[in-house]
Amino acid sequence: NAGVTQTPKFQVLKTGQSMTLQCAQDMNHNSMYWYRQDPGMGLRLIYYSASEGTTDKGEVPNGYNVSRLNKREFSLRLESAAPSQTSVYFCASSEDRGLLETQYFGPGTRLLVL
Amino acid sequence: AQSVSQHNHHVILSEAASLELGCNYSYGGTVNLFWYVQYPGQHLQLLLKYFSGDPLVKGIKGFEAEFIKSKFSFNLRKPSVQWSDTAEYFCAASGGYQKVTFGTGTKLQVIP
Repeated sequence: NAGVTQTPKFQVLKTGQSMTLQCAQDMNHNSMYWYRQDPGMGLRLIYYSASEGTTDKGEVPNGYNVSRLNKREFSLRLESAAPSQTSVYFCASSEDRGLLETQYFGPGTRLLVL
Repeated sequence: AQSVSQHNHHVILSEAASLELGCNYSYGGTVNLFWYVQYPGQHLQLLLKYFSGDPLVKGIKGFEAEFIKSKFSFNLRKPSVQWSDTAEYFCAASGGYQKVTFGTGTKLQVIP
């Protein structure tokens, strides 16, 4: 039982390049989330998926797209990376979007955009 | 709009000192409250959570938090910290079926 896994762990991009961050969970959770963590700003929600087949914008969705490929996988895509997107990205999942909101986090992806 | 405030950004304590980290939330109606911890080099994990019932919640590793509805607060406490408690602590809140909102985090450094 691996929990929440993310790939890659580290990535360096040039401005304008694109990439996809992958996330998978093996806990049969319905809801999945993408956050970015920046110094002094805590975690900010980018996008979330309450259930398979649905996605919704969070607090900071601009510059990102997501795909809930199936119940297990939730990917985050940067179409044209910008230096402002340098951050640590965390994927998380929870059993439900409702009251049982304990979230389980992946190890994070450190992204540097030059 | 819902929000979570953590006023202590960086706290430095000596081992065996008592800890209290502040957390205030702004939510209407029913609120669910959480404390998460991120140890150096590791990912976030749940310390404790409050949904309903006893406002004093006990979590892992000797941590506890008290929900005070009249003060909109959910402060984290530990009577005696250890060096291994060095980490960043995040308060979070959700209301009903809304997404979770995280505070900006408090970095705790415990000096041996």
